[in-house]
Amino acid sequence: DAGVTQSPTHLIKTRGQQVTLRCSPKSGHDTVSWYQQALGQGPQFIFQYYEEEERQRGNFPDRFSGHQFPNYSSELNVNALLLGDSALYLCASSFAPGQAYLNTEAFFGQGTRLTVV
Amino acid sequence: DAKTTQPTSMDCAEGRAANLPCNHSTISGNEYVYWYRQIHSQGPQYIIHGLKNNETNEMASLIITEDRKSSTLILPHATLRDTAVYYCIVRPWASGGYQKVTFGIGTKLQVIP
Repeated sequence: DAGVTQSPTHLIKTRGQQVTLRCSPKSGHDTVSWYQQALGQGPQFIFQYYEEEERQRGNFPDRFSGHQFPNYSSELNVNALLLGDSALYLCASSFAPGQAYLNTEAFFGQGTRLTVV
Repeated sequence: DAKTTQPTSMDCAEGRAANLPCNHSTISGNEYVYWYRQIHSQGPQYIIHGLKNNETNEMASLIITEDRKSSTLILPHATLRDTAVYYCIVRPWASGGYQKVTFGIGTKLQVIP
């Protein structure tokens, strides 16, 4: 059973460019969340997708956008990259809330290391 | 989500029990205590969670004080592979709400041979 998979594992982009990161959730999970982790910091919540809609959003600008597909996979898009966007981007999947009979802890992928130069 | 306070770093001798404390004095009645860990260059890994009773699984034990204002994660026999950053998080049970997980800085546990 594959866990959460993210691609690519590493990426180098130039300031001002756009980037798309991809995530496939753990089998059976239907909710995907994205986190940004700067060096030496804990992960910071970006947003969460369920039923192809953004359900909750952290304190991130509109340059950060996402999408969820019918197969529950998800993309994170970042426009107009800044040097400060350099970080490890983590995807986490889980069961949807309301399913209290299911174990709802989040499973994380290994992340995509984005470097903006 | 309630705020948590953890020591920045701790050392533990290999084979000994590692006891990682967490203060969450503002925890509310519907909030659970969760622990995750993050081994270098990997994604966070769920360890255990609890509401008010002590919990144990194959990875660790979670001891929550009676007033629920603090908790301790216990790794009974620490190994070198347990070297990681450990995050204590409090958040409501997921039903009825979405699962935003708020991480702090965590405790960097170094297991020493």
